[in-house]
Amino acid sequence: GAGVSQSPRYKVAKRGQDVALRCDPISGHVSLFWYQQALGQGPEFLTYFQNEAQLDKSGLPSDRFFAERPEGSVSTLKIQRTQQEDSAVYLCASSLGAGGLRYEQYFGPGTRLTVT
Amino acid sequence: DAKTTQPPSMDCAEGRAANLPCNHSTISGNEYVYWYRQIHSQGPQYIIHGLKNNETNEMASLIITEDRKSSTLILPHATLRDTAVYYCIPRRGSARQLTFGSGTQLTVLP
Repeated sequence: GAGVSQSPRYKVAKRGQDVALRCDPISGHVSLFWYQQALGQGPEFLTYFQNEAQLDKSGLPSDRFFAERPEGSVSTLKIQRTQQEDSAVYLCASSLGAGGLRYEQYFGPGTRLTVT
Repeated sequence: DAKTTQPPSMDCAEGRAANLPCNHSTISGNEYVYWYRQIHSQGPQYIIHGLKNNETNEMASLIITEDRKSSTLILPHATLRDTAVYYCIPRRGSARQLTFGSGTQLTVLP
């Protein structure tokens, strides 16, 4: 079946521009996660949704970062007034249940954002 | 969550077993050990997890020491497609997100 898809795969933005990154999770998956991965490092948690509810946004680095999942399926991560330090790969993951050990996370291929 | 120590890189000959160690000496009793891998330009992929018993699936085996302070992921017959960064991740039962470290870059050599 289809896995997690993300678009665009690559995005170049000039400093100060707004960007929107899309995630299509596996159909029926309740949980959705966003991670940020800087070059040469492991992914770092940004935010978590259970259906349409954003239950944890403790990892969002600033108020320029905003995520939504209005209908409990597709999610968008928006970054306003991009800065060079926002350059990273943004990964989306989904899992079947509402968190916990029983449900592994399935990751998309990521969106590589480069801010110039 | 417990801190982990993994070697930054390892090589393995194709067809041989790859043994990837992970130290998690501060792991608590309710933390499982998860392993994910990330092939270049792809998202991480779940491999296996365990609490205190050894586990095996179609991808790998996981050996956890009796004191649970360390574990070893074993790929029994490594192929070139197993070249990836391997992450060892202690995880509480109540935790939702994964906390990745730096991982081990495994390179399988022909």
